[in-house]
Amino acid sequence: EVQLVESGGGFIQPGGSLRLTCAASGFTFKDAWMTWVRQAPGKGLEWVGRIRSKADGGTTDYAAPVKGRFTISKDDSENTMYLQMDSLRTEDTAVYYCCSNTDCLYWGQGTLVTVSS
Amino acid sequence: DIVMTQSPASLAVSLGERAAINCKSSQSVFSTSNNKNFLGWYQQRAGQPPKVLIYWASIRGSGVPDRFSGSGSGTDFNLTISSLQAEDVAVYYCQQYLGTPQTFGQGTKVEIK
Repeated sequence: EVQLVESGGGFIQPGGSLRLTCAASGFTFKDAWMTWVRQAPGKGLEWVGRIRSKADGGTTDYAAPVKGRFTISKDDSENTMYLQMDSLRTEDTAVYYCCSNTDCLYWGQGTLVTVSS
Repeated sequence: DIVMTQSPASLAVSLGERAAINCKSSQSVFSTSNNKNFLGWYQQRAGQPPKVLIYWASIRGSGVPDRFSGSGSGTDFNLTISSLQAEDVAVYYCQQYLGTPQTFGQGTKVEIK
C-alpha cells in the first residue's frame, strides 16, 4: 500500500525557515518523481514544485512565487523528500501536500504551515 | 504558463442524476511523444486531502467507482459522474502536468440539489 506522510509544519514568523518532510512507502521511491502542492486556507490547489528521479537527472522545477526561496530534495536511502522553505512570507500560509510523480496518483494528508507575526 | 479553466464553478445535482464538469487548457496538453493527454482529475472532500479520480485524461485511479469517467483531448476535457451519490459532494480539480509549471483549474464545487 502506498503511503505518503508529511511532517514538519508549524507556526513561523515572516522571514523564518522551515523544513517539511514527506516519508514514502509502498513503491520504488528512487524511481519516482515527487511533487509538492499547497492549499491556502479556503483556496484552491497550487503546484509548488517537483523533483525528478536520479535516473532522470534529479533536477527540480519550482513555481514562480517560491523560486529562489524553496528547495526540494530527495533522499532515496531514506525514502524521504524534503521541502526547505526560507524567507517565508505570510502568503506561504497553507497546507502542504506531497504527491507521487507528476500525475499525483497518491497524496499525503498534508501538513499546515502558518506564517504570521 | 498553461491556464486551466473549469466550468461551472459550482453545480447542484439531484441524487442519481448526471453531473458534468468541463476543463479547458490554454494550450494543448497532448504529447505526441507518448500519445497521451497530461491531464488529471482530483476529488477533494471537505477536510480531506485531494484524491486522484482520473489520470491521462481517461484512466480511472485505483478503487475509483466506474460512475466517474474522463474524456477529451488536446485542450478540452470533461469529468462526468453518471449517477451522483451523496459521497460525491466535494470540490473537483483538473490539473495539467505537461507544462512547467504544472497548473490546476480553480475547482468546481458539487452539491446535492
